[in-house]
Amino acid sequence: GEDVEQSLFLSVREGDSSVINCTYTDSSSTYLYWYKQEPGAGLQLLTYIFSNMDMKQDQRLTVLLNKKDKHLSLRIADTQTGDSAIYFCAESNDYKLSFGAGTTVTVRA
Amino acid sequence: DTGVSQDPRHKITKRGQNVTFRCDPISEHNRLYWYRQTLGQGPEFLTYFQNEAQLEKSRLLSDRFSAERPKGSFSTLEIQRTEQGDSAMYLCASNYMGGIIGNEQFFGPGTRLTVL
Repeated sequence: GEDVEQSLFLSVREGDSSVINCTYTDSSSTYLYWYKQEPGAGLQLLTYIFSNMDMKQDQRLTVLLNKKDKHLSLRIADTQTGDSAIYFCAESNDYKLSFGAGTTVTVRA
Repeated sequence: DTGVSQDPRHKITKRGQNVTFRCDPISEHNRLYWYRQTLGQGPEFLTYFQNEAQLEKSRLLSDRFSAERPKGSFSTLEIQRTEQGDSAMYLCASNYMGGIIGNEQFFGPGTRLTVL
């Protein structure tokens, strides 16, 4: 079965970097994803990483994958107030996504 | 491309009543998924369709729940004899099997159900 775990809360000062951590259990996951959820909005795919990669950078976002430890992280550089949201990591088998409980990121001025 | 839409956005009902939600996926997406999200949790998979065929159902989907996708386009999710424990956000997602980014799924805004 799949079980994805994340820390629940993160508070960060505007302009600092945010790091959100996630552990997963399904070693057969081909892709791992980070989704963002803002109040009243659906889930939006932020970025993803293929399982044979160990790092992916996309503008302010950096994803690190340690496949041996089944650990995934998302770093947001120069965090802005618009980055306040809930962030979900997810692993995928052939058809379904398995999500963590989400990390609520609060950006303070 | 208008994205995945869901209707209604909010539904308040009394325990024991039946409710039906609708999801319109992105056109030409052949897969459609239903998830349920309760407060403080991530979405949990309920079921999915490939075209009009329902290929997988989670054990979360009790006998009171039924989903259809009759023409391989929109889908409905019906809950019969609602219970307070059914209160949640019901999310629909779609994608095209064989898409570029593995199993990237595009989510709708959700239907928030409150059972009194």
